[in-house]
Amino acid sequence: KTQVEQSPQSLVVRQGENCVLQCNYSVTPDNHLRWFKQDTGKGLVSLTVLVDQKDKTSNGRYSATLDKDAKHSTLHITATLLDDTATYICVVGDRGSALGRLHFGAGTQLIVIP
Amino acid sequence: DMKVTQMPRYLIKRMGENVLLECGQDMSHETMYWYRQDPGLGLQLIYISYDVDSNSEGDIPKGYRVSRKKREHFSLILDSAKTNQTSVYFCASSPGQGVANSDYTFGSGTRLLVI
Repeated sequence: KTQVEQSPQSLVVRQGENCVLQCNYSVTPDNHLRWFKQDTGKGLVSLTVLVDQKDKTSNGRYSATLDKDAKHSTLHITATLLDDTATYICVVGDRGSALGRLHFGAGTQLIVIP
Repeated sequence: DMKVTQMPRYLIKRMGENVLLECGQDMSHETMYWYRQDPGLGLQLIYISYDVDSNSEGDIPKGYRVSRKKREHFSLILDSAKTNQTSVYFCASSPGQGVANSDYTFGSGTRLLVI
């Protein structure tokens, strides 16, 4: 059973618009949550890591929230650029060490059009 | 420049052939991983290596084996490849055990087609 669900599956926005990506999970324990960006044909690049029970992070035009009580995270992208076109993957770590497992969502495919 | 390098980037093999995927990292990370990524699915862990000759099965190890003889190098081997092993394979590395919220570095992937 999929333990990390992302929505929407795909999203098309116009350059300059804002967008919000959702991640719901059932992983227990939920030590931390990461958002990765994956350009087509490339590897995963970490955008942000959320750790606290209710956490917020900001990294330029990317901001993210985590609510461990609701087991829910959001990734906000402000003023989208064409280069934001990619797949965004939500990943939940069940421990804070290399002994822990990462649980991957299937990703949200974001397409930014002119 | 810290990175994980995967070779080859693209590979076509016939069913029954042996396949060797190679991964190297230059960060002295203790832990290395092999994942596969299939359409519509999240990355699935094949094997994890905690250090030289210290390897553990992941969630889908069947049909695969690994080798880690040097800390910076981690190989994935498919003995007698099957068509359902067509996938994109990612290698990743992270600092050693006990490091909270370890950062992960991924390679660019190897696209394997088994015909």
